[in-house]
Amino acid sequence: SYELTQTPSVSVSPGQTARITCSGDKLGDKYTSWYQQKPGQSPVLVMYQDKKRPSGIPERFSGSNSGNTATLAITGTQPTDEADYYCQAWDSDAVIFGGGTKLTVL
Amino acid sequence: QLQLQESGPGLVKPSQTLSLTCSVSGGSIGTGNDYWTWIRQPAGKGLEWIGLVYTSGIIKYNPSLKSRVTVSLDAPRNEFSLRLSSVSAADTAIYFCARAEYSSAYHYYHIDVWGKGTTVTVSS
Repeated sequence: SYELTQTPSVSVSPGQTARITCSGDKLGDKYTSWYQQKPGQSPVLVMYQDKKRPSGIPERFSGSNSGNTATLAITGTQPTDEADYYCQAWDSDAVIFGGGTKLTVL
Repeated sequence: QLQLQESGPGLVKPSQTLSLTCSVSGGSIGTGNDYWTWIRQPAGKGLEWIGLVYTSGIIKYNPSLKSRVTVSLDAPRNEFSLRLSSVSAADTAIYFCARAEYSSAYHYYHIDVWGKGTTVTVSS
């Protein structure tokens, strides 16, 4: 079955750029979505179809997807961006989630 | 604004069947291009997709759960449901219902509306 792999944790200083990656076989041939989840809350869609931002998501969030890796970048990271981030793709009639990346802003 | 609300027992005994309902408000479940989805998350762990149902009758399940899962849609009541049979402690999790957009032509799928989630504990 298809798998998506994420680095368990990423740390970034406020104002810097955070890059969260998601790897999978020929992932660039699929569309990737990204979700942000803060403690005790439901996930929120922050990127879809690789690089489209839903309404209300700040412009500092951007996405890319090529080869085997999709990337969610957060420029000018703010303390409020500290959360778990999950990538997601569709493969063989199933929804696949990555294991999640905990973003720490310190 | 579309809102989803999960409901059902918070405690289920091992080997029994877990049943949850998702009530949809602010929109109709029977129209549009929406795929109604169940996802779960064990405490401190990641997201796991359970299954989805579309108004046309299309239903898809996580292969790892397929033998135990039934997802159904009740358009007149504007709700959809999840049944998971033969539960064990491994099924203890927060269960989310959600609305997804999907294209079979372009193979994209993303969830844009989530319920708040309901905690289900499997214990005797």
